[in-house]
Amino acid sequence: GAVVSQHPSWVICKSGTSVKIECRSLDFQATTMFWYRQFPKQSLMLMATSNEGSKATYEQGVEKDKFLINHASLTLSTLTVTSAHPEDSSFYICSARGRAGVGTEAFFGQGTRLTVV
Amino acid sequence: AQSVTQLGSHVSVSEGALVLLRCNYSSSVPPYLFWYVQYPNQGLQLLLKYTSAATLVKGINGFEAEFKKSETSFHLTKPSAHMSDAAEYFCAVSLYNFNKFYFGSGTKLNVKP
Repeated sequence: GAVVSQHPSWVICKSGTSVKIECRSLDFQATTMFWYRQFPKQSLMLMATSNEGSKATYEQGVEKDKFLINHASLTLSTLTVTSAHPEDSSFYICSARGRAGVGTEAFFGQGTRLTVV
Repeated sequence: AQSVTQLGSHVSVSEGALVLLRCNYSSSVPPYLFWYVQYPNQGLQLLLKYTSAATLVKGINGFEAEFKKSETSFHLTKPSAHMSDAAEYFCAVSLYNFNKFYFGSGTKLNVKP
């Protein structure tokens, strides 16, 4: 399958600072990227969907001003956690999908563990 | 609307025993179904997927799953557990266009020697 790479794999930041997480599709053009969040011992919850060149669509309850998503190119999407607080500590996973249509699958990155201290 | 229910947050089996992880889904349209495995502090690795072809799907590492529409189930099985199978397993449902995956709550598999 196709490869989706996230960077960094883990990050520790101080409360009040901002953190940027990158999600790259290495061998295909990702027209759509998805960002998920996984709380400890819980399942993954979709945060937002972004299409290349468009504003992201956020799920209900997700603060768009806190979780800034940019999908400026067909191979890169970024999630910026602004003014991070300890409650933002979580595992963030992205997935990427090529052009829509039957057989176009979404592939997941390896995740980023964010710890806010 | 789509949803996934995984019965049993923890399953423990002995090495060599049958592995059975249960997944039931709800979908208003024909679903695509997936099983992912997650090792500690790692991302999701696709085990297998059902996308409306054969109802019995074989995946990696000896796992397989059967799509049963009448039971709205997609249970994951492996005839003989190995220590390396210890991980957390997630069942997920998606629409045909792979927009939005809805994940179950996960089942942590423990394999005893």
